[in-house]
Amino acid sequence: AQKITQTQPGMFVQEKEAVTLDCTYDTSDQSYGLFWYKQPSSGEMIFLIYQGSYDEQNATEGRYSLNFQKARKSANLVISASQLGDSAMYFCAMRGPYRAGTASKLTFGTGTRLQVTL
Amino acid sequence: DTGVSQNPRHKITKRGQNVTFRCDPISEHNRLYWYRQTLGQGPEFLTYFQNEAQLEKSRLLSDRFSAERPKGSFSTLEIQRTEQGDSAMYLCASTTHGGYQETQYFGPGTRLLVL
Repeated sequence: AQKITQTQPGMFVQEKEAVTLDCTYDTSDQSYGLFWYKQPSSGEMIFLIYQGSYDEQNATEGRYSLNFQKARKSANLVISASQLGDSAMYFCAMRGPYRAGTASKLTFGTGTRLQVTL
Repeated sequence: DTGVSQNPRHKITKRGQNVTFRCDPISEHNRLYWYRQTLGQGPEFLTYFQNEAQLEKSRLLSDRFSAERPKGSFSTLEIQRTEQGDSAMYLCASTTHGGYQETQYFGPGTRLLVL
């Protein structure tokens, strides 16, 4: 079974500062994918960034980067230069090995609410 | 807008009534997922379609729930005899035939409140 743990229910960051959102995971699979999604109050889950278990480089997408430490089973999200529009819930999620014809269902953590302040 | 769409966005119903939600995935996406998100939790997997075939269902999907994707395009999720515990956000996600980097793109969700 897969499990995602997000230990920070809420975080505050000042505008233009960087913030790290923590995510640890547990799996016995060797092949897996890690995702971060942003959920504003409107409810839509917005894909931010992906890291594959075999990827040697940390993933980056614009202001988002994923600090992947495989041995520690952690996949922290780093947001640089925070903006007011970054205020939202952030979810870490995991997908197991890809197998044709089967569901690549995501297992989500409980999320971290980020509030960006002036 | 070429993203995933869901209708209705909000639904209030009385206990015991039936409700149906619709999901229109991104047009070229053949894989479709339904998730349920309760307050303070992350989404939980409900069911999965590959084209029109429903290939996997979660234990969360009781016999009061049924999902279809008749022509491999849009999908519907029906809840019969709703209960207060069904109150949640129902999210739909779609993706292309996947692989190692399959990424699911979500719709805006349908918020259900059962009174």
